[in-house]
Amino acid sequence: GEDVEQSLFLSVREGDSSVINCTYTDSSSTYLYWYKQEPGAGLQLLTYIFSNMDMKQDQRLTVLLNKKDKHLSLRIADTQTGDSAIYFCAEKRDSSNTGKLIFGQGTTLQVKP
Amino acid sequence: DTAVSQTPKYLVTQMGNDKSIKCEQNLGHDTMYWYKQDSKKFLKIMFSYNNKELIINETVPNRFSPKSPDKAHLNLHINSLELGDSAVYFCASSHPDSINYGYTFGSGTRLTVV
Repeated sequence: GEDVEQSLFLSVREGDSSVINCTYTDSSSTYLYWYKQEPGAGLQLLTYIFSNMDMKQDQRLTVLLNKKDKHLSLRIADTQTGDSAIYFCAEKRDSSNTGKLIFGQGTTLQVKP
Repeated sequence: DTAVSQTPKYLVTQMGNDKSIKCEQNLGHDTMYWYKQDSKKFLKIMFSYNNKELIINETVPNRFSPKSPDKAHLNLHINSLELGDSAVYFCASSHPDSINYGYTFGSGTRLTVV
C-alpha cells in the first residue's frame, strides 16, 4: 500500500532526547525526509537521507535508516521547547520520476519545560 | 524574499461558491505541487506541474482545476465549494536536479467553507 506510518504523539521533557519513528513501504525509495511543521506554518525541510546511507548526523539531529526493516528514525538531542511541532517523514519513491513525496501522518512532539 | 508564496492565507466562503488560490515561487524550480492537509494533519498530494505540464493528477474531484500560466506560478481553482473542502492547502516547488529533491513549501492557505 501507500502508507507511511508514524506514531501520532510524543511527549518529552526539555533537555531529554526525542526519538520519532517512521516505517515506509517502498524498498526502492531513494530519498527519505524529515519535515517540521510549526503551528500555522508550512513544512520546513529538516534533513534527508539517501537510501544507501545508514545514518546521518546534523548538529542535534540524527537520522537512522534500517532499509531491511524499512524503518526511519529522527533523534533530537537536548530537546528544547522550540522543538515542539509536528514532524513528518516522507519518502520519494523511485518508481516515480515526478518528485512525488508520500508523507506519514505526522508525529506531534510536545516538549515540557 | 519569500521563496514560495501563497495567497490568500485565509479564505472563508460559503458553500457553492467558486474560489481561487494563487501560488508563486521565485526559486527557479521546474516542478510545483498542491497538497491538501486535512483536520488530522494528513498531507495528500493533489496535483503536480512540471514546466507548465500536468504530471500528477491524483483522485481529486473535477471541481478542482489547477492552472499553470508559467513555471513560476500554479493556481488552484475550486468550483462549487463543499464543506468537505475545508482544509489547509499547501503549494510547494522542487527542482528535479536538486541533490535531495526536497520540496520548499508555502505557508498554506486555510480554507473554511461554511
